[in-house]
Amino acid sequence: DTGVSQDPRHKITKRGQNVTFRCDPISEHNRLYWYRQTLGQGPEFLTYFQNEAQLEKSRLLSDRFSAERPKGSFSTLEIQRTEQGDSAMYLCASRSRDYLADTQYFGPGTRLTVL
Amino acid sequence: AQKITQTQPGMFVQEKEAVTLDCTYDTSDPSYGLFWYKQPSSGEMIFLIYQGSYDQQNATEGRYSLNFQKARKSANLVISASQLGDSAMYFCAMREGRRLTGGGNKLTFGTGTQLKVEL
Repeated sequence: DTGVSQDPRHKITKRGQNVTFRCDPISEHNRLYWYRQTLGQGPEFLTYFQNEAQLEKSRLLSDRFSAERPKGSFSTLEIQRTEQGDSAMYLCASRSRDYLADTQYFGPGTRLTVL
Repeated sequence: AQKITQTQPGMFVQEKEAVTLDCTYDTSDPSYGLFWYKQPSSGEMIFLIYQGSYDQQNATEGRYSLNFQKARKSANLVISASQLGDSAMYFCAMREGRRLTGGGNKLTFGTGTQLKVEL
Protein backbone atom coordinates (compact mmCIF):
# COMPACT_ATOMS: atom_id res chain seq x y z
CA ASP A 1 0.00 0.00 0.00
CA THR A 2 1.94 3.00 -1.25
CA GLY A 3 1.24 6.49 -0.02
CA VAL A 4 1.23 9.78 -1.89
CA SER A 5 4.47 10.41 -3.77
CA GLN A 6 5.89 13.66 -5.10
CA ASP A 7 8.70 14.39 -7.48
CA PRO A 8 11.12 16.05 -7.23
CA ARG A 9 11.67 16.36 -3.50
CA HIS A 10 13.82 19.44 -3.94
CA LYS A 11 14.08 21.98 -6.76
CA ILE A 12 16.41 24.93 -7.01
CA THR A 13 15.79 27.30 -9.88
CA LYS A 14 16.63 30.80 -10.99
CA ARG A 15 14.09 33.58 -11.02
CA GLY A 16 12.17 33.63 -14.28
CA GLN A 17 12.47 29.93 -15.01
CA ASN A 18 9.51 27.54 -15.27
CA VAL A 19 9.20 24.56 -12.95
CA THR A 20 6.88 21.56 -12.89
CA PHE A 21 6.09 19.27 -9.98
CA ARG A 22 4.39 15.89 -10.07
CA CYS A 23 2.10 14.21 -7.56
CA ASP A 24 0.98 10.58 -7.58
CA PRO A 25 -1.94 10.05 -5.18
CA ILE A 26 -2.90 6.86 -3.36
CA SER A 27 -4.19 4.61 -6.13
CA GLU A 28 -7.86 4.37 -5.19
CA HIS A 29 -8.21 8.06 -4.25
CA ASN A 30 -10.07 10.23 -6.74
CA ARG A 31 -9.64 13.54 -4.90
CA LEU A 32 -6.38 15.42 -5.07
CA TYR A 33 -5.27 18.67 -3.41
CA TRP A 34 -2.31 21.00 -3.71
CA TYR A 35 -1.16 23.16 -0.80
CA ARG A 36 1.70 25.60 -0.34
CA GLN A 37 3.60 26.01 2.92
CA THR A 38 5.96 28.89 3.58
CA LEU A 39 8.42 29.00 6.45
CA GLY A 40 6.79 29.18 9.85
CA GLN A 41 3.27 28.80 8.52
CA GLY A 42 0.73 26.04 8.09
CA PRO A 43 -0.12 24.78 4.60
CA GLU A 44 -2.45 26.94 2.50
CA PHE A 45 -4.86 25.48 -0.03
CA LEU A 46 -4.09 26.06 -3.71
CA THR A 47 -6.38 23.84 -5.76
CA TYR A 48 -8.56 20.72 -5.77
CA PHE A 49 -9.29 18.01 -8.33
CA GLN A 50 -12.01 15.42 -8.33
CA ASN A 51 -10.98 12.86 -10.92
CA GLU A 52 -9.69 14.97 -13.83
CA ALA A 53 -11.84 18.02 -13.10
CA GLN A 54 -10.31 21.00 -11.34
CA LEU A 55 -13.21 22.06 -9.13
CA GLU A 56 -11.71 24.71 -6.89
CA LYS A 57 -8.85 27.20 -7.05
CA SER A 58 -7.58 29.56 -4.40
CA ARG A 59 -6.90 33.25 -4.98
CA LEU A 60 -3.30 32.27 -4.16
CA LEU A 61 -3.14 30.48 -7.49
CA SER A 62 -2.05 33.35 -9.73
CA ASP A 63 -2.11 33.09 -13.50
CA ARG A 64 1.53 31.97 -13.39
CA PHE A 65 0.38 28.75 -11.72
CA SER A 66 -1.39 25.97 -13.56
CA ALA A 67 -2.36 22.51 -12.40
CA GLU A 68 -3.58 19.53 -14.36
CA ARG A 69 -4.76 16.01 -13.75
CA PRO A 70 -5.31 14.77 -17.27
CA LYS A 71 -6.38 11.17 -16.66
CA GLY A 72 -7.61 11.50 -13.12
CA SER A 73 -4.51 9.84 -11.72
CA PHE A 74 -1.29 11.83 -11.27
CA SER A 75 -1.29 15.62 -11.20
CA THR A 76 1.22 18.28 -12.20
CA LEU A 77 1.68 21.78 -10.85
CA GLU A 78 3.56 24.20 -13.08
CA ILE A 79 4.87 27.60 -12.08
CA GLN A 80 5.86 29.90 -14.91
CA ARG A 81 8.32 32.79 -14.58
CA THR A 82 9.18 31.90 -11.00
CA GLU A 83 9.67 34.66 -8.45
CA GLN A 84 11.57 34.57 -5.15
CA GLY A 85 8.23 34.71 -3.36
CA ASP A 86 7.35 31.32 -4.84
CA SER A 87 9.98 29.69 -2.63
CA ALA A 88 8.02 27.28 -0.43
CA MET A 89 7.14 23.67 0.21
CA TYR A 90 4.49 22.42 -2.22
CA LEU A 91 2.41 19.63 -0.72
CA CYS A 92 0.05 17.28 -2.46
CA ALA A 93 -2.68 15.34 -0.66
CA SER A 94 -5.24 12.78 -1.72
CA ARG A 95 -8.54 11.62 -0.29
CA SER A 96 -10.76 8.60 -0.87
CA ARG A 97 -13.76 8.66 -3.21
CA ASP A 98 -15.87 7.55 -0.23
CA TYR A 99 -17.57 10.78 0.77
CA LEU A 100 -17.61 9.66 4.41
CA ALA A 101 -13.84 9.37 4.38
CA ASP A 102 -12.70 12.79 5.47
CA THR A 103 -8.96 12.43 5.84
CA GLN A 104 -6.46 13.89 3.41
CA TYR A 105 -3.16 12.02 3.21
CA PHE A 106 -0.12 14.07 2.30
CA GLY A 107 2.96 13.34 0.28
CA PRO A 108 6.51 14.29 1.30
CA GLY A 109 6.35 17.61 -0.52
CA THR A 110 8.53 19.39 -3.06
CA ARG A 111 10.72 22.11 -1.59
CA LEU A 112 11.22 24.91 -4.12
CA THR A 113 14.00 27.47 -3.81
CA VAL A 114 14.01 30.36 -6.26
CA LEU A 115 17.34 32.19 -6.44
CA ALA B 1 -10.50 36.32 12.29
CA GLN B 2 -8.26 33.30 12.34
CA LYS B 3 -10.16 30.11 11.70
CA ILE B 4 -7.63 27.95 13.51
CA THR B 5 -5.58 29.32 16.39
CA GLN B 6 -2.64 27.55 17.97
CA THR B 7 -1.32 29.79 20.70
CA GLN B 8 1.75 27.75 21.67
CA PRO B 9 4.59 28.33 19.22
CA GLY B 10 6.81 25.92 21.16
CA MET B 11 6.40 23.33 23.88
CA PHE B 12 8.83 21.18 25.86
CA VAL B 13 7.94 17.91 27.55
CA GLN B 14 9.93 15.28 29.41
CA GLU B 15 10.06 11.82 27.91
CA LYS B 16 7.23 9.57 29.17
CA GLU B 17 5.16 12.55 30.30
CA ALA B 18 1.84 13.59 28.75
CA VAL B 19 1.51 16.86 26.85
CA THR B 20 -1.46 18.87 25.61
CA LEU B 21 -1.28 20.98 22.47
CA ASP B 22 -3.97 23.64 22.22
CA CYS B 23 -6.20 24.40 19.25
CA THR B 24 -9.22 26.66 19.02
CA TYR B 25 -11.31 27.08 15.91
CA ASP B 26 -13.88 29.47 14.53
CA THR B 27 -16.73 28.44 12.27
CA SER B 28 -20.43 29.08 11.95
CA ASP B 29 -20.98 25.87 10.01
CA PRO B 30 -22.65 23.10 12.04
CA SER B 31 -20.81 20.43 10.08
CA TYR B 32 -17.03 20.38 10.23
CA GLY B 33 -14.10 18.10 10.87
CA LEU B 34 -10.99 18.69 12.93
CA PHE B 35 -7.63 17.09 12.26
CA TRP B 36 -4.19 16.94 13.79
CA TYR B 37 -1.10 16.38 11.67
CA LYS B 38 2.53 15.88 12.66
CA GLN B 39 5.31 17.35 10.52
CA PRO B 40 8.83 16.14 11.27
CA SER B 41 11.81 18.07 9.96
CA SER B 42 11.67 15.99 6.77
CA GLY B 43 8.52 17.90 5.81
CA GLU B 44 5.90 15.21 5.33
CA MET B 45 2.51 15.85 6.97
CA ILE B 46 1.51 12.75 8.91
CA PHE B 47 -2.16 12.33 9.83
CA LEU B 48 -2.69 11.62 13.53
CA ILE B 49 -6.33 11.93 14.51
CA TYR B 50 -9.75 13.15 13.37
CA GLN B 51 -12.86 14.44 15.13
CA GLY B 52 -16.16 15.13 13.39
CA SER B 53 -18.42 17.86 14.71
CA TYR B 54 -21.26 15.40 15.30
CA ASP B 55 -19.12 12.76 16.96
CA GLN B 56 -20.30 12.13 20.51
CA GLN B 57 -17.09 10.61 21.78
CA ASN B 58 -13.63 12.16 21.86
CA ALA B 59 -11.39 10.56 19.25
CA THR B 60 -8.49 8.36 20.31
CA GLU B 61 -5.71 6.75 18.27
CA GLY B 62 -3.13 4.90 20.31
CA ARG B 63 -1.19 7.48 22.36
CA TYR B 64 -3.12 10.34 20.78
CA SER B 65 -6.45 11.63 21.99
CA LEU B 66 -8.43 14.66 21.03
CA ASN B 67 -10.08 16.67 23.81
CA PHE B 68 -13.07 18.06 21.91
CA GLN B 69 -15.02 20.81 23.69
CA LYS B 70 -17.60 21.95 21.17
CA ALA B 71 -19.10 24.81 23.17
CA ARG B 72 -15.65 26.29 23.73
CA LYS B 73 -14.63 25.54 20.13
CA SER B 74 -11.48 23.81 21.20
CA ALA B 75 -9.86 20.61 19.94
CA ASN B 76 -6.74 20.00 21.97
CA LEU B 77 -4.38 17.14 21.17
CA VAL B 78 -3.16 15.06 24.08
CA ILE B 79 -0.08 12.90 23.60
CA SER B 80 0.45 10.40 26.39
CA ALA B 81 3.79 8.86 27.31
CA SER B 82 5.85 11.16 25.08
CA GLN B 83 8.72 9.66 23.11
CA LEU B 84 11.79 11.29 21.60
CA GLY B 85 10.33 10.56 18.16
CA ASP B 86 7.37 12.79 18.96
CA SER B 87 9.59 15.86 18.55
CA ALA B 88 8.09 17.63 15.53
CA MET B 89 5.77 20.42 14.42
CA TYR B 90 2.09 19.74 15.08
CA PHE B 91 -0.69 21.32 13.08
CA CYS B 92 -4.39 21.56 13.82
CA ALA B 93 -6.66 21.81 10.76
CA MET B 94 -10.36 22.16 10.01
CA ARG B 95 -12.65 21.09 7.19
CA GLU B 96 -15.82 23.18 7.00
CA GLY B 97 -19.10 22.18 5.45
CA ARG B 98 -20.72 18.86 4.80
CA ARG B 99 -18.73 16.08 3.23
CA LEU B 100 -20.35 16.41 -0.15
CA THR B 101 -19.62 14.11 -3.05
CA GLY B 102 -18.92 17.13 -5.22
CA GLY B 103 -17.26 19.32 -2.63
CA GLY B 104 -13.55 19.70 -2.12
CA ASN B 105 -13.65 20.38 1.58
CA LYS B 106 -10.22 21.97 1.69
CA LEU B 107 -8.38 22.11 5.00
CA THR B 108 -7.51 25.30 6.85
CA PHE B 109 -4.44 24.98 9.06
CA GLY B 110 -3.16 26.76 12.12
CA THR B 111 0.40 28.04 12.45
CA GLY B 112 1.55 24.99 14.36
CA THR B 113 3.23 24.11 17.66
CA GLN B 114 6.84 22.94 17.75
CA LEU B 115 7.11 20.13 20.30
CA LYS B 116 10.45 19.10 21.77
CA VAL B 117 10.65 15.94 23.86
CA GLU B 118 13.57 15.91 26.30
CA LEU B 119 15.25 13.07 28.19
